[in-house]
Amino acid sequence: NAGVTQTPKFQVLKTGQSMTLQCAQDMNHEYMSWYRQDPGMGLRLIHYSVGAGITDQGEVPNGYNVSRSTTEDFPLRLLSAAPSQTSVYFCASRRGGNTEAFFGQGTRLTVV
Amino acid sequence: GESVGLHLPTLSVQEGDNSIINCAYSNSASDYFIWYKQESGKGPQFIIDIRSNMDKRQGQRVTVLLNKTVKHLSLQIAATQPGDSAVYFCAEKSEGGYQKVTFGTGTKLQVIP
Repeated sequence: NAGVTQTPKFQVLKTGQSMTLQCAQDMNHEYMSWYRQDPGMGLRLIHYSVGAGITDQGEVPNGYNVSRSTTEDFPLRLLSAAPSQTSVYFCASRRGGNTEAFFGQGTRLTVV
Repeated sequence: GESVGLHLPTLSVQEGDNSIINCAYSNSASDYFIWYKQESGKGPQFIIDIRSNMDKRQGQRVTVLLNKTVKHLSLQIAATQPGDSAVYFCAEKSEGGYQKVTFGTGTKLQVIP
């Protein structure tokens, strides 16, 4: 099993550009989520999904969209990148009812 | 609102000594409390969890203590090793629905050889 795979690992965007961060898991987990990690602020939940076709907003959803068309994939879309979205983004998955989440390696995004 | 925080941002420990990482929480409705370890350049990794109706749980070289009276959580690492150097996050899982997991800000553990 590859676990949770995120691509790309690094990305530089210009203000106003859009892009999609990819996330895939091969553990057949129902729950998937996106977090952003900023210095001194821990991980903050952006969006999450409890299964294919079901998504909802987390703590900091503005400027991001998600979709969950399959159990395996949970892409995160930045609609119009802003410098405030410079961060490290983590995708995670877990089995429903479990506490153990599996994280990807992260995507370091810089918006200039 | 919900919040999970840590008392110490950085903890330096001599190799072989025991480490204690502390965490305060405010959401009494959480049903699980969780510790994650994050090594440099990697995603967080699950260490151990404790159900809210317990006050102690032991794993391999780690022990988590939960004091609901003062809303305090701690992670004890026995015989700290250089490989334990990382940032440690406490987190809490809410009951019901999506069972959202909320993370604290993290404590950096530095092991001195």
